[in-house]
Amino acid sequence: AQTVTQSQPEMSVQEAETVTLSCTYDTSENNYYLFWYKQPPSRQMILVIRQEAYKQQNATENRFSVNFQKAAKSFSLKISDSQLGDTAMYFCAFMAGNQFYFGTGTSLTVIP
Amino acid sequence: NAGVTQTPKFQVLKTGQSMTLQCAQDMNHNSMYWYRQDPGMGLRLIYYSASEGTTDKGEVPNGYNVSRLNKREFSLRLESAAPSQTSVYFCASSEASFGTAFYGYTFGSGTRLTVV
Repeated sequence: AQTVTQSQPEMSVQEAETVTLSCTYDTSENNYYLFWYKQPPSRQMILVIRQEAYKQQNATENRFSVNFQKAAKSFSLKISDSQLGDTAMYFCAFMAGNQFYFGTGTSLTVIP
Repeated sequence: NAGVTQTPKFQVLKTGQSMTLQCAQDMNHNSMYWYRQDPGMGLRLIYYSASEGTTDKGEVPNGYNVSRLNKREFSLRLESAAPSQTSVYFCASSEASFGTAFYGYTFGSGTRLTVV
């Protein structure tokens, strides 16, 4: 069975600081994709970053980067220079075959 | 703007009533999905349609039916609503199945459904 675990239900960070959200997953698949989605209070699900499992290089999108450790099945999200607009629920997701598996989310609050 | 459109955004039903949630995408995506989001449980897949003409059950299909009307539209029906179906429902689409370039899901804005 595929599972995604986000062990931090809530986190907070001071504006302009850096925060890391953790995610681990369990799968027997060798080829898969990993994602981080952001859900602000507007409820819209927004893709933040994606990582292909066969690529060793960690993905980066502006202030967002991941630390992908395939052997450890870990996929953490680092947000640098945190901004007030980063306040949201963040979901880690894993995709294999034609289905996504989502974690339970981490609620991030950026403090002014 | 291209994307996934869900209607309605909010709905209150009485127990036993029926309703259909509508979803349409204009990105020519093959695959479409219905999820429900509950506090502390993340998103759980209800049904999905890998391509026009096919539908499959996800993790929590009981109490729901779906119709892939055409490539653009994928509706979710509650035949007899129950309070346990109070949730936020998301429709999503994706361009291709696994094995090709994959850019994740595009989500609709969600439907908040309350069953009283």
